[in-house]
Amino acid sequence: DTQMTQSPSSLSASVGDRVTITCQASQDISIYLNWYQQKPGKAPKLLIYDASNSEAGVPSRFSGSGSGTDFTFTINSLQPEDIATYYCQQYINDVTFGQGTKLEIK
Amino acid sequence: QVQLQESGPGLVKPSETLSLTCTVSGGSISGSFWSWFRQPPGKRPERLGYIYYTGSATYSPSLGGRVTMSVDTSSNQFSLKLRSVTAADTAVYYCARDTFGKSWGQGTLVTVSS
Repeated sequence: DTQMTQSPSSLSASVGDRVTITCQASQDISIYLNWYQQKPGKAPKLLIYDASNSEAGVPSRFSGSGSGTDFTFTINSLQPEDIATYYCQQYINDVTFGQGTKLEIK
Repeated sequence: QVQLQESGPGLVKPSETLSLTCTVSGGSISGSFWSWFRQPPGKRPERLGYIYYTGSATYSPSLGGRVTMSVDTSSNQFSLKLRSVTAADTAVYYCARDTFGKSWGQGTLVTVSS
């Protein structure tokens, strides 16, 4: 199994801040890495696919980068509606998710 | 825009079979892969498996052969059966488009309890 390790597990930031979440794979996954947003009581929503490509309709403040084993997800200028849990997901070897990063407003 | 909706019992007894159906609207089920995920309360999502519209399915080894998926193209639906359930199978179950989850249904909570 390919294990995905996200950090931090939780994060508190202010509106307007730049927020960064990292995800590390236990083996090389090339760019087969997606980022999801999940709001309470809702299904996960795909934001970034193939490490750095934004899904249609996703605000430009969300971005992703990386390849191989190390990946980064960034929110530029945090907005109140961005409060959610964010997950990375690899899909080259079965499908596995990171443990999630719960983002709160300070 | 394709939409997905899960349906099925919200309560299943231990040792019985969990059965869910996903109805696809706004597009055809043909030509695509479709998948099932679940998410226990407070935990990360887990993929249970996926099925091609032809009926060819791939299942997660972690389920120990307890799962079966099927597709009904005439009804634009696909289904999940999970046998011999225990309390550990209590979760929100989601159907999704593609093998990784390009878009998801709203989810349905299934509780395993006597």
